[in-house]
Amino acid sequence: DMKVTQMPRYLIKRMGENVLLECGQDMSHETMYWYRQDPGLGLQLIYISYDVDSNSEGDIPKGYRVSRKKREHFSLILDSAKTNQTSVYFCASRLGYEQYFGPGTRLTVL
Amino acid sequence: AQSVDQPDAHVTLYEGASLELRCSYSYSAAPYLFWYVQYPGQSLQFLLKYITGDAVVKGTKGFEAEFRKSNSSFNLKKSPAHWSDSAKYFCALEGGGNMGYKLTFGTGTSLLVDP
Repeated sequence: DMKVTQMPRYLIKRMGENVLLECGQDMSHETMYWYRQDPGLGLQLIYISYDVDSNSEGDIPKGYRVSRKKREHFSLILDSAKTNQTSVYFCASRLGYEQYFGPGTRLTVL
Repeated sequence: AQSVDQPDAHVTLYEGASLELRCSYSYSAAPYLFWYVQYPGQSLQFLLKYITGDAVVKGTKGFEAEFRKSNSSFNLKKSPAHWSDSAKYFCALEGGGNMGYKLTFGTGTSLLVDP
């Protein structure tokens, strides 16, 4: 069974704090993604990773950075979080043409 | 540039009716098109895809979609609808070639099927 995990599931941070969101997959998929989902909007692509240390900006990369040191793990980092980064963040991995999504992390920045 | 439009934010129908969720896209070359579903409180799940070939593609849960190049649409269909189909549905486009596996999602259509 294809499985993508995300930690933590819920997170509350204060403005200016650093945030680390983690994503894991046990399928050895090469390509992984970070999205955010906001009410009334679809999913917006933040970053895409094609493999270890091979990352590319998506449509809204400003304020975010990523790290992928192992194929199974893809991290999203917010340095000095802002209130407008309050959102639900989804990680996904890709096999063929299909993306497999994690359960999401609900981040609130106060 | 590529974009996806789902013009209906909300659709409500009775169980047993036929459902059709609209999706149109803008892309200069041949698109890869997808539908994903998000049940309340859950993550997104893949429903179906169109890559090439037959214009009508079948997916999971009894859904199908028709690719119409003439009007740049990729509508999702199911008949009959069931109350358990109530969810949010997202149409998505991936540009082929050098677009680097990047998916563009529409804003979604929330479907409510009254039992």
